[in-house]
Amino acid sequence: DAKTTQPNSMESNEEEPVHLPCNHSTISGTDYIHWYRQLPSQGPEYVIHGLTSNVNNRMASLAIAEDRKSSTLILHRATLRDAAVYYCILTGGGTSYGKLTFGQGTILTVHP
Amino acid sequence: DTAVSQTPKYLVTQMGNDKSIKCEQNLGHDTMYWYKQDSKKFLKIMFSYNNKELIINETVPNRFSPKSPDKAHLNLHINSLELGDSAVYFCASSQGRRNSGNTIYFGEGSWLTVV
Repeated sequence: DAKTTQPNSMESNEEEPVHLPCNHSTISGTDYIHWYRQLPSQGPEYVIHGLTSNVNNRMASLAIAEDRKSSTLILHRATLRDAAVYYCILTGGGTSYGKLTFGQGTILTVHP
Repeated sequence: DTAVSQTPKYLVTQMGNDKSIKCEQNLGHDTMYWYKQDSKKFLKIMFSYNNKELIINETVPNRFSPKSPDKAHLNLHINSLELGDSAVYFCASSQGRRNSGNTIYFGEGSWLTVV
């Protein structure tokens, strides 16, 4: 499975935007970029995913580099509830589907 | 209504015992999974079932046996529990298995402690 690299931790203040980077230099042409987050004592929660184009949903935006070797999850206005571990994951189809490889993720701390 | 529910949420048991964790999803999905999150917080897939057929079986001891009575349920049975089995086990589901864009929905987790 293609590997992703994320900073171990990031901090933000409430109401400010947060940009969470992810490097995936070995991404293949059919890999989707998924972001999940895990709040304390809960299961991972889907945030957003994309293939080539930037994506927006009610939770966040995903900016994908033109060469697809990196991406950035953007939380437009961080809240205390956004404090979690954020995982950037690549998924391939076929038999590898569902075989999500979670790395260490980025621990996001949001200050009041 | 909880989309993916698993029981029990907490389980403390002695070494050598046999225990089961049950999982049910009401999303109408045809694929279900079991993941294990160890003390270092790494999440690793253990098993995946599609329409009751085993499609992913990672290197997991034979003491772990998944059972899928129907596509809405995937239970995990663990025989002869060992200390190293202590972890959080997450059940998950998704629709389809070949489209990489499909979202995977996770349960709340089952905290297993073997003493």
